Amino acid sequence: EPEVTQTPSHQVTQMGQEVILRCVPISNHLYFYWYRQILGQKVEFLVSFYNNEISEKSEIFDDQFSVERPDGSNFTLKIRSTKLEDSAMYFCASSEWRFYEQYFGPGTRLTVT
Amino acid sequence: AQTVTQSQPEMSVQEAETVTLSCTYDTSENNYYLFWYKQPPSRQMILVIRQEAYKQQNATENRFSVNFQKAAKSFSLKISDSQLGDTAMYFCAFVYNNAGNMLTFGGGTRLMVKP
Repeated sequence: EPEVTQTPSHQVTQMGQEVILRCVPISNHLYFYWYRQILGQKVEFLVSFYNNEISEKSEIFDDQFSVERPDGSNFTLKIRSTKLEDSAMYFCASSEWRFYEQYFGPGTRLTVT
Repeated sequence: AQTVTQSQPEMSVQEAETVTLSCTYDTSENNYYLFWYKQPPSRQMILVIRQEAYKQQNATENRFSVNFQKAAKSFSLKISDSQLGDTAMYFCAFVYNNAGNMLTFGGGTRLMVKP
């Protein structure tokens, strides 16, 4: 069964450093998303991406964040200068079409020290 | 703004029994979709069930079923014959006809299935 994959599973970085989180969505899916979940809190939407551009972004997704689909398979989230409050689980998701089920990857746990 | 509320932070159920998790939502939209996701201790988000708002028939998926009350804006999840592997956080989520297709999640209900 196809699944969304994410690397790395855990990333530790120092405050101010840049990190890139990687995702490989399900191959025939057209919509891609990033969500985050701070420990013990609800899952929050960051950004959605379709047809090589951002469809929507939340207030969390400020200038420190960017997304890219560098090739036909990868979908990346970059945080330019990490802050302590960026520590969270970051989930990538994809869906075949609008309103279709979003399938989530296993997450990348980001720890900023 | 769309909001999703899960009023039960924690619940427990004996193995093989039935449990119902509550979810309410607030929206002025008419065309939307609702989902339940399960998050086990591994923290992977797993889709459990989906309901289209335009469908009157409640969705079912094996031991999982929903009670969708559109007028009341209620979307509860019933788990029958509970199993130890059902122990997890359960999140209700909502998406409407917006450009970004973003999911709005509730705060979650932690379900413990006891042997």
